[in-house]
Amino acid sequence: KAGVTQTPRYLIKTRGQQVTLSCSPISGHRSVSWYQQTPGQGLQFLFEYFSETQRNKGNFPGRFSGRQFSNSRSEMNVSTLELGDSALYLCASSLYTAPGQETQYFGPGTRLLVL
Amino acid sequence: SQQGEEDPQALSIQEGENATMNCSYKTSINNLQWYRQNSGRGLVHLILIRSNEREKHSGRLRVTLDTSKKSSSLLITASRAADTASYFCATGTSGAGSYQLTFGKGTKLSVIP
Repeated sequence: KAGVTQTPRYLIKTRGQQVTLSCSPISGHRSVSWYQQTPGQGLQFLFEYFSETQRNKGNFPGRFSGRQFSNSRSEMNVSTLELGDSALYLCASSLYTAPGQETQYFGPGTRLLVL
Repeated sequence: SQQGEEDPQALSIQEGENATMNCSYKTSINNLQWYRQNSGRGLVHLILIRSNEREKHSGRLRVTLDTSKKSSSLLITASRAADTASYFCATGTSGAGSYQLTFGKGTKLSVIP
């Protein structure tokens, strides 16, 4: 099976712009989670989607949003970019519908630089 | 917020030696997972240990979990240069039909050939 793919891999934006990142999960996986990784804060959970519904959300401002499509592909959007949004954004997919299927498989990430 | 905290933050060893990394966490968990990350790339899942398990092996990896002390350790035996990476523990908690991983800040392992 193909792994989790993320596009684009690298992105440069300026403050105030918005950005959309895309994630395609492993075939058959319906749960998609997003994480932000920075040197200062480490890996932080953004949100999780399952069957097009956001089931869980981390402690991030409303500028960070996401959605999931019927084919389980997911996008996350960051509006009004700030310098502090520069980070590696990681997407992970899993089968998870019940205990026993919790392993999350990560994509290579999208590295966002905000100037 | 960080749930797991790895110790040490950085570890440098010679090839062939064993590497031990520790993780402590604060709240009750369903399971604990260890991941590896090479140079800011995606994370690779190494092993999952459930809250009712005490030890688990996978190849050269050995993970222990002590829920009474809220701690876990990852042992890599006979390390290789290719093991050079950052290692993260992640605690898994579920609730309201959802499941969330909370990561520590990681241990940076350098294996010197």
